[in-house]
Amino acid sequence: DQQVKQNSPSLSVQEGRISILNCDYTNSMFDYFLWYKKYPAEGPTFLISISSIKDKNEDGRFTVFLNKSAKHLSLHIVPSQPGDSAVYFCAASAEYNTDKLIFGTGTRLQVFP
Amino acid sequence: DTGVSQDPRHKITKRGQNVTFRCDPISEHNRLYWYRQTLGQGPEFLTYFQNEAQLEKSRLLSDRFSAERPKGSFSTLEIQRTEQGDSAMYLCASSLDLSVYEQYFGPGTRLTVT
Repeated sequence: DQQVKQNSPSLSVQEGRISILNCDYTNSMFDYFLWYKKYPAEGPTFLISISSIKDKNEDGRFTVFLNKSAKHLSLHIVPSQPGDSAVYFCAASAEYNTDKLIFGTGTRLQVFP
Repeated sequence: DTGVSQDPRHKITKRGQNVTFRCDPISEHNRLYWYRQTLGQGPEFLTYFQNEAQLEKSRLLSDRFSAERPKGSFSTLEIQRTEQGDSAMYLCASSLDLSVYEQYFGPGTRLTVT
């Protein structure tokens, strides 16, 4: 039972354009969402997060949007840079079990010149 | 840089052998987590510690797996009688009590069981 889904395994975007990575979840008890970035041979690196009481959180080039009614969140990267090429994981946590992060399967982003 | 470190980075073992991995968390972090990641999947939660207490174990953690954090600092994950299905990347992460959501990951130990 995949509670966090990333339906696009890969995405290719030109440098300078916007990258939009999507994530859907099924558990209505999730109240905190995170995005991690992973380069080859490294562990995932925390990127940005959002609480369920918000619908948007911005940090520099990265913005996460949350649509609770649709159980959907997205990560926008503007402008995209070649160094953003990595695998991006969406993760979620529930208030009753805050320590347990549930990850999606990841989306591989490639930013080309 | 005093991030999360894991040792070894790679381990190749024969089926039936025992293996042990070590994780050193960020020094001030009192929570420590183990995850497993297989090809094409995201990390899957295995277990976590608050200081030296192991507070939750996933059903993924069979009886052949055991984790310890004896002094509330580093942790070890042991797999006994390894099986080919144990081949995966084993990730360790740590966090502060006040920021439990934001877990900081180590580079992982890649286990290959032949």
